[in-house]
Amino acid sequence: DAGVIQSPRHEVTEMGQEVTLRCKPISGHNSLFWYRQTMMRGLELLIYFNNNVPIDDSGMPEDRFSAKMPNASFSTLKIQPSEPRDSAVYFCASSPQVNYGYTFGSGTRLTVV
Amino acid sequence: DAKTTQPPSMDCAEGRAANLPCNHSTISGNEYVYWYRQIHSQGPQYIIHGLKNNETNEMASLIITEDRKSSTLILPHATLRDTAVYYCIVRVIGSGTNAGKSTFGDGTTLTVKP
Repeated sequence: DAGVIQSPRHEVTEMGQEVTLRCKPISGHNSLFWYRQTMMRGLELLIYFNNNVPIDDSGMPEDRFSAKMPNASFSTLKIQPSEPRDSAVYFCASSPQVNYGYTFGSGTRLTVV
Repeated sequence: DAKTTQPPSMDCAEGRAANLPCNHSTISGNEYVYWYRQIHSQGPQYIIHGLKNNETNEMASLIITEDRKSSTLILPHATLRDTAVYYCIVRVIGSGTNAGKSTFGDGTTLTVKP
């Protein structure tokens, strides 16, 4: 089992550019979560999906952020346009069902300059 | 989700038991207690969870008080590799919008010293 796979591991982009973060959950896991971590705000839940359906996106900071899960094996988090304050580590996590413990990926470190 | 309160930091001697407390005095009947840890620069790692009975696995033990208002995570023989931030979370179970949603607080930074 390769675990939750996130790509890229590091991303440096200029302000105003579009950024797409990718996540492959563990096969058979029905729930997928996107978190953002910064020193100031800690770990924040952005959005989560259950059976590919977005359940709660109340943590998405603004309209510049969007997330999709077109199938059970892939999800994307897009930021357009990106801003320096979006710099953070973005984690994806999955779980077999909503009530199980999560398995986190290694994260994507995003730097917007 | 109910709020949790954890001490910001703790030290533990290598080889000794590390006991990490968590208060969750407003926990509801449909909320489990979960523990995760995050080693520097890595994604958080699930440790254990429970409802009201004590739980044990290969990583740790979880002791939940009878009134469920607090819990303790026990690492029986701490090693240097257990140095991490430990998060205690309470989480709604079952179905519905809030089911499965985990809100992370600031956690406890555990430092295991030789």
